[in-house]
Amino acid sequence: AQKITQTQPGMFVQEKEAVTLDCTYDTSDQSYGLFWYKQPSSGEMIFLIYQGSYDEQNATEGRYSLNFQKARKSANLVISASQLGDSAMYFCAMRDPTGNQFYFGTGTSLTVIP
Amino acid sequence: GAVVSQHPSRVICKSGTSVKIECRSLDFQATTMFWYRQFPKQSLMLMATSNEGSKATYEQGVEKDKFLINHASLTLSTLTVTSAHPEDSSFYICSASLALGYNEQFFGPGTRLTVL
Repeated sequence: AQKITQTQPGMFVQEKEAVTLDCTYDTSDQSYGLFWYKQPSSGEMIFLIYQGSYDEQNATEGRYSLNFQKARKSANLVISASQLGDSAMYFCAMRDPTGNQFYFGTGTSLTVIP
Repeated sequence: GAVVSQHPSRVICKSGTSVKIECRSLDFQATTMFWYRQFPKQSLMLMATSNEGSKATYEQGVEKDKFLINHASLTLSTLTVTSAHPEDSSFYICSASLALGYNEQFFGPGTRLTVL
């Protein structure tokens, strides 16, 4: 069974600082995709970044980067230069090889402090 | 990115009534759509996978007779909560992929259902 673990229920970061949100996963599949989504209080799920299991380089999207350590089965999200608007829930997710299912972690609530 | 809409965004209904939630892909055709349920401060739980022109595939523990899913076209999937009860109150989110196995799922804005 697939499993995503986010061990940080809540995180605080000072504005303009960097923050790392942890995510570990468990799968026996060789091919999979890892995602991070942001969910503000409005409820909408906003796609942030994607990492394929065969990608050798860490994914980056603007201020977001994914620290992918395949052997450790971790896919941590790094947000650089935090902004007040980054305060939200963040979910790590994994897509199985068929593409049929996404498995979500329990989320991390990030609060950016001015 | 592709846009997915949901209607209504909020609905309040009486216990025992049925509620229909629509999920539309606005600028692309979605062979497959997904329905999730999210309780307050919890993660998204996949309820079912909706395939155009065929029966939905439900996750274990999800009552298919209670949560009716119809995917009549490549741009529309509906979730009907039949004989709703207060415990069905939740945030329901749909998502769609451009194609099966495509990297990204595009999420709708969600529907907050409150059953009195």
